[in-house]
Amino acid sequence: QVQLVQSGAEVKKPGASVKVSCKASGDTFTNYVVHWVRQAPGQSLEWMGWISAGNGNTRYSQDFQGRVTITRDTSATTAYMELGSLRSEDTAVYYCAAKDSGGLRGLDYWGQGTLVTVSS
Amino acid sequence: DIQMTQSPSTLSASVGDRVTITCRASQSISSWLAWYQQKPGKAPKLLINKAASLENGVPSRFSGSGSGTEFTLTISSLQPDDFATYYCQQYKSGDTFGQGTKLEIK
Repeated sequence: QVQLVQSGAEVKKPGASVKVSCKASGDTFTNYVVHWVRQAPGQSLEWMGWISAGNGNTRYSQDFQGRVTITRDTSATTAYMELGSLRSEDTAVYYCAAKDSGGLRGLDYWGQGTLVTVSS
Repeated sequence: DIQMTQSPSTLSASVGDRVTITCRASQSISSWLAWYQQKPGKAPKLLINKAASLENGVPSRFSGSGSGTEFTLTISSLQPDDFATYYCQQYKSGDTFGQGTKLEIK
């Protein structure tokens, strides 16, 4: 099983970028696909994209294409999500979540969430 | 993109009731569907994988069914711990979540 620990809360101004980290431990990092999901206050879950920790392949939601970049550092067993051109509507809790790269399945493991507040 | 439509958005029920939540996909997703439970301030918890496969440790009162475009999550006898928000998720092509169903105490 893998445990995911995310970086702390952030406050950003409109137009800025934010980078959230997700450190994995407890299992072989490169065996997992790490997803990023966000949840605005009182709203549903919104999938942003994923990265294969093994080969670095990525896929992004069209809703975030061009604004989000997901990367990973295998030596640090950490995945990162960077979101640019922030606006107030990006205020949300951002979660990383992981699943085994062996096949199609739901998201077994979740980080604790990182609150990103966008405010002038 | 595949859209997921969940209903109802809110469900009021009592302990011991049997409840069903529905999730519809805008195109066929075979059985590539998961269900999650989320409590306030917490990350979602995976309950059911591949439409009907109960995750380890999830009580047997939870069950999932369906394939193609229509899916259901059933809780056979509600317990106090079950009052939460439930989400479906398709993972056939990209990933998409439903809007959620808030299960409230009547």
